Amino acid sequence: GAVVSQHPSWVICKSGTSVKIECRSLDFQATTMFWYRQFPKQSLMLMATSNEGSKATYEQGVEKDKFLINHASLTLSTLTVTSAHPEDSSFYICSAGVPSQVAYGYTFGSGTRLTVV
Amino acid sequence: TQLLEQSPQFLSIQEGENLTVYCNSSSVFSSLQWYRQEPGEGPVLLVTVVTGGEVKKLKRLTFQFGDARKDSSLHITAAQPGDTGLYLCAGARTNAGKSTFGDGTTLTVKP
Repeated sequence: GAVVSQHPSWVICKSGTSVKIECRSLDFQATTMFWYRQFPKQSLMLMATSNEGSKATYEQGVEKDKFLINHASLTLSTLTVTSAHPEDSSFYICSAGVPSQVAYGYTFGSGTRLTVV
Repeated sequence: TQLLEQSPQFLSIQEGENLTVYCNSSSVFSSLQWYRQEPGEGPVLLVTVVTGGEVKKLKRLTFQFGDARKDSSLHITAAQPGDTGLYLCAGARTNAGKSTFGDGTTLTVKP
């Protein structure tokens, strides 16, 4: 089945620094990947749609200059949190789907716990 | 306004009890998924329903899609501690569109 790998699982960084999170589709090509943010005991909030070879589509209220998304290949999308602040601390999750089967659901990565100190 | 409303938000029951989680919307979906998420992990797909009135069973879990494809329910029979987790419904309004997630239901099954 479709496997999505997310790295790192957790990261601690200092305020003002940037952090890159990777999302890879291991056994399929994904023209579209999604990035979510999740607060404790809450649902997933879609941040942006990552499109291979083109600019990401950001949801309303998400700062595109702060959350940089790059989808340079059919198997890799990256989310870079720039100039991180403590309020950026959260659980970030990516998802992808086999293009011909997305109507049947998506596969999620295992998530990245970001802590900004 | 949340497109998909889940209820209840929190549910704590004893092992062996039955429960139902609801996912309601005023919008029509081409498909609806149910996921289960454990702490520190990404959601795992349980089932996808696409046909109005469809019922799918996965061991002790029964999923139903409303006739009008606006709502869904998840019923768990004889809940076990291993069923503990966050249950999320997600709907897609087109076959290739992004999914909208419900608020989630946090289920705790006590031994």
